[in-house]
Amino acid sequence: GQQVMQIPQYQHVQEGEDFTTYCNSSTTLSNIQWYKQRPGGHPVFLIQLVKSGEVKKQKRLTFQFGEAKKNSSLHITATQTTDVGTYFCAGGSNDYKLSFGAGTTVTVRA
Amino acid sequence: DAGVTQSPTHLIKTRGQQVTLRCSPISGHKSVSWYQQVLGQGPQFIFQYYEKEERGRGNFPDRFSARQFPNYSSELNVNALLLGDSALYLCASSQYTSEAFFGQGTRLTVV
Repeated sequence: GQQVMQIPQYQHVQEGEDFTTYCNSSTTLSNIQWYKQRPGGHPVFLIQLVKSGEVKKQKRLTFQFGEAKKNSSLHITATQTTDVGTYFCAGGSNDYKLSFGAGTTVTVRA
Repeated sequence: DAGVTQSPTHLIKTRGQQVTLRCSPISGHKSVSWYQQVLGQGPQFIFQYYEKEERGRGNFPDRFSARQFPNYSSELNVNALLLGDSALYLCASSQYTSEAFFGQGTRLTVV
């Protein structure tokens, strides 16, 4: 079955620095979604990418979908303490099922 | 507008017991999905229902079952609970796209 892998598992970032988290699928995806989960909270939808090579920006967050629609990345610039949490990618397939990666847990040093 | 609501928020059960979790989707959303999230892992897909019909099932044993009602709310049932069933159970509703809106979850502890 479809597997989605994320790296790194943990990201410790100095406030103000940039970082990137990566997501890879074993199969071609119909779409990729990104979610953020704060400690003790539930996943909150950030964005969905559908087209091959698509790039979308949300303020300091930049999301990319690979040309082969099997990988994606999330790049955060000028990290802030509000960026703390776990970022999940979720691969969507034609059967509407979402396959989540294990997440990248981000901590920020002030 | 109310978001996805789940009840109860916390639950403690004994091994071998049965549990029912409930979910009310966002108004107008006809699709409800259930996920299991074990601590430190991503949500794992259990079921998806659309218009009261099962659209998809994840790799979970038959002890897990669900249904969707005419008002689009949903229940997840787990029979013969095992210690390994302890997890956060998340319900998500969606409309036309697969973008999912999650509830706050039900924290199930099996002792």
